[in-house]
Amino acid sequence: GAVVSQHPSRVICKSGTSVKIECRSLDFQATTMFWYRQFPKKSLMLMATSNEGSKATYEQGVEKDKFLINHASLTLSTLTVTSAHPEDSSFYICSARTVNWHEQYFGPGTRLTVT
Amino acid sequence: AQKVTQAQTEISVVEKEDVTLDCVYETRDTTYYLFWYKQPPSGELVFLIRRNSFDEQNEISGRYSWNFQKSTSSFNFTITASQVVDSAVYFCALSESPAGGTSYGKLTFGQGTILTVHP
Repeated sequence: GAVVSQHPSRVICKSGTSVKIECRSLDFQATTMFWYRQFPKKSLMLMATSNEGSKATYEQGVEKDKFLINHASLTLSTLTVTSAHPEDSSFYICSARTVNWHEQYFGPGTRLTVT
Repeated sequence: AQKVTQAQTEISVVEKEDVTLDCVYETRDTTYYLFWYKQPPSGELVFLIRRNSFDEQNEISGRYSWNFQKSTSSFNFTITASQVVDSAVYFCALSESPAGGTSYGKLTFGQGTILTVHP
């Protein structure tokens, strides 16, 4: 099946710094990528939908100025957590959708710890 | 709005037992897709199955089977003869097919069921 990678897999940063997470579709073009957040022992919550060449669509309650999303190409979307705080510590997972809207492939996730 | 409910927070069984994970969904759309994912401790989501709303046939894949019933809006997942390696969190998810827009395909996840299989 299609492969989606995320980098880094784990990151620890200090409070107040910014962290960028990359999501890449390795063997297909993804016009749409989704960013999810998962707290420990909780479900995945959609943060935003990222479409190549246009602004991301954020879910209600997600601060777009805090979670900057860029989808500059058909194979890469980035999520930047700006001025990170300990409450931003979480597991961030991206997924990429193929031309068939119902086919979606998940990345391995990025575990962010803010100290 | 779409919603997925997995009422079982945690299930614990002994190896070789059969176990059924429940999933109930809500949607206004007539066209939608249902999914099951497995999330082992590593965190990576493992795709198990996708079922569209027009296909109510039950499916069996090895020790896994799924029962889709539109009448009760349920999409239950059964593991037969469970094994320790089946221990994970299992998520049921729903994706609607809206008429347009750029965010179609987004998934709504259930709360997840933690399955522990003891040797």
